Amino acid sequence: KQEVTQIPAALSVPEGENLVLNCSFTDSAIYNLQWFRQDPGKGLTSLLLIQSSQREQTSGRLNASLDKSSGRSTLYIAASQPGDSATYLCAVTTTDSWGKLQFGAGTQVVVTP
Amino acid sequence: NAGVTQTPKFQVLKTGQSMTLQCAQDMNHNSMYWYRQDPGMGLRLIYYSASEGTTDKGEVPNGYNVSRLNKREFSLRLESAAPSQTSVYFCASSQVQGEAFFGQGTRLTVV
Repeated sequence: KQEVTQIPAALSVPEGENLVLNCSFTDSAIYNLQWFRQDPGKGLTSLLLIQSSQREQTSGRLNASLDKSSGRSTLYIAASQPGDSATYLCAVTTTDSWGKLQFGAGTQVVVTP
Repeated sequence: NAGVTQTPKFQVLKTGQSMTLQCAQDMNHNSMYWYRQDPGMGLRLIYYSASEGTTDKGEVPNGYNVSRLNKREFSLRLESAAPSQTSVYFCASSQVQGEAFFGQGTRLTVV
């Protein structure tokens, strides 16, 4: 069974520092990997989707890398801002999963002014 | 563009009562999903519908039923609510194996 792990569970950084969030998965036969942001009491907002054939995906200050062979993805957020404070979740689908997402537990990020 | 819309946003039920959570998407997606989110357990799949006319169980289907009413709408029904079903429920949609989009959630408390 696919298991997704996010370490650390919580992270606090000063404003302006780059954020590095980690996601690991046990089964490398993934179809895609998606990063989400969740604010307290809110729904999930999609940040980036990386297909299994891709090595990285970029959107503004966000960059996500994918290494299927080692079962890892990293989300980089450049020049963090207090507005980046949220919980970040990664999730994977496998080739036979019909788009069903297997989630990690998330990393709670606090960016201090 | 509304995306994925869930109703209601909040609900309190007594044990044994029934209710239906509604979900609608306007992105012409084929696939729709219901997840629940619990502290310490993360997000877990309850049921999904890969396409209109089909539904299948996910990881935690007990105590729930679903209906894919049409391509846009996917409802989740609790026939006899239990305190263990206190949770935040999220509906999501995607093209098969595409980017998933989530609703704002329904916060359900069963007392």
